Amino acid sequence: AQSVTQLGSHVSVSEGALVLLRCNYSSSVPPYLFWYVQYPNQGLQLLLKYTSAATLVKGINGFEAEFKKSETSFHLTKPSAHMSDAAEYFCAVTKGNTGFQKLVFGTGTRLLVSP
Amino acid sequence: NAGVTQTPKFQVLKTGQSMTLQCAQDMNHNSMYWYRQDPGMGLRLIYYSASEGTTDKGEVPNGYNVSRLNKREFSLRLESAAPSQTSVYFCASTTLSGSSGREQFFGPGTRLTVL
Repeated sequence: AQSVTQLGSHVSVSEGALVLLRCNYSSSVPPYLFWYVQYPNQGLQLLLKYTSAATLVKGINGFEAEFKKSETSFHLTKPSAHMSDAAEYFCAVTKGNTGFQKLVFGTGTRLLVSP
Repeated sequence: NAGVTQTPKFQVLKTGQSMTLQCAQDMNHNSMYWYRQDPGMGLRLIYYSASEGTTDKGEVPNGYNVSRLNKREFSLRLESAAPSQTSVYFCASTTLSGSSGREQFFGPGTRLTVL
């Protein structure tokens, strides 16, 4: 069965600092991996996804993530944090190429950005 | 397009009361999902409907029922609410065809409190 582990329920950075949110996955078959972002009192929206094409994936708002099979990781990074990046971030995994999609989400990481 | 809409936005129930959460999407998606979000637990799948006419249990289905009314609408019913069902409920949808690397689109959520 697929699962994801997000290390750190809260991450605090200063504005302009590097953002690194960690996600490790477990999957017996080639996975598809996603990062979703949730702003306060809103639903989730897709930030980026890995679907077995390029291992370095670029998303919206300057975020990117690198799929590393040897480390079973899909960490999310942004070179310079902005106050508007404060939100909760969820990593999710599903089986690739099965037609129907059933996501398994991590427990989330809340990103706090200070001036 | 309104995307995924959910009603109501907020609800307070007493233990034992029943209610139905409504969800509709206008993107012609085949698959629809109900999740609950609890602090520190991420999103957990309650029920899903891979396509019109089918529904299946997810990770945490106890205490809930669903109806896929038509292609657009997918409702979640609590027959006898319990305090453990206090949560934020999200509906999501996506297409069925092609690979499982597609984006799920989320509604804004329903905040339910059971006293």
